[in-house]
Amino acid sequence: AQSVTQPDIHITVSEGASLELRCNYSYGATPYLFWYVQSPGQGLQLLLKYFSGDTLVQGIKGFEAEFKRSQSSFNLRKPSVHWSDAAEYFCAVGSYGQNFVFGPGTRLSVLP
Amino acid sequence: DAMVIQNPRYQVTQFGKPVTLSCSQTLNHNVMYWYQQKSSQAPKLLFHYYDKDFNNEADTPDNFQSRRPNTSFCFLDIRSPGLGDAAMYLCACGEGGQPQHFGDGTRLSIL
Repeated sequence: AQSVTQPDIHITVSEGASLELRCNYSYGATPYLFWYVQSPGQGLQLLLKYFSGDTLVQGIKGFEAEFKRSQSSFNLRKPSVHWSDAAEYFCAVGSYGQNFVFGPGTRLSVLP
Repeated sequence: DAMVIQNPRYQVTQFGKPVTLSCSQTLNHNVMYWYQQKSSQAPKLLFHYYDKDFNNEADTPDNFQSRRPNTSFCFLDIRSPGLGDAAMYLCACGEGGQPQHFGDGTRLSIL
C-alpha cells in the first residue's frame, strides 16, 4: 500500500535561512508527487507537483522540490524563508486513478 | 478570486442534530472531494465524486452522506453528529485524480 512519511513533525528556522522539508514515499506505481501548504484556519494550497520529466520542480512562492527515485524522496526547498512561510506543509503521493495519500505534515515555525 | 467556496466557515450544531455543509467551485472540475481534518493531522478523505459517480472511502462512517446536484455544488450531510465529528471539513476539486484546489474549510463544533 502507498504511504508517505514526513520525518520532521516540527521545524524552526530563522527568517532568511534556507529550508528543506523531507518527504519519503512508498508507492507501487510511478508516483505523482505533491506539496501543499496550509496556513492556520485555512485550506490547503498546492505549491508544486511532479508527474514526469525534469526531477527538479519549481513551484509558487519560491519553493522547489527534487524527485529522487533512488531514495524515494521528494524534498521541498526554499533558499530564503520569509516569516509568512510559517505554516503546515503536507507532502502527498498519488497516480492517475489511484488513491491519493497525504503525509502527516511538517509544521514550520520562522524566527524573526 | 476564490475558486472553491465553502459555507459556512464556522458551524455549531448540537449533538445528534443533522447538519449540512456546502461547497461550490467555479473551475468546472469533474472531481470534487470532501476531507475531514482534525487538529494537527493530515486531511482524511471521506468521499469523492467523479462527475456524478460517488466514491465512498471504506472507513467513512455511515453517518456521513454527500450529494452533488450539479458540477458546481457538493454537500456534506452529517445525519447525527457526535462529539468525535468536531473537525475542519475541507472541500476540494480537481482533474486527473488529485485534489488541486481547496476551499478554506468549515470548522464544525458540536455542543
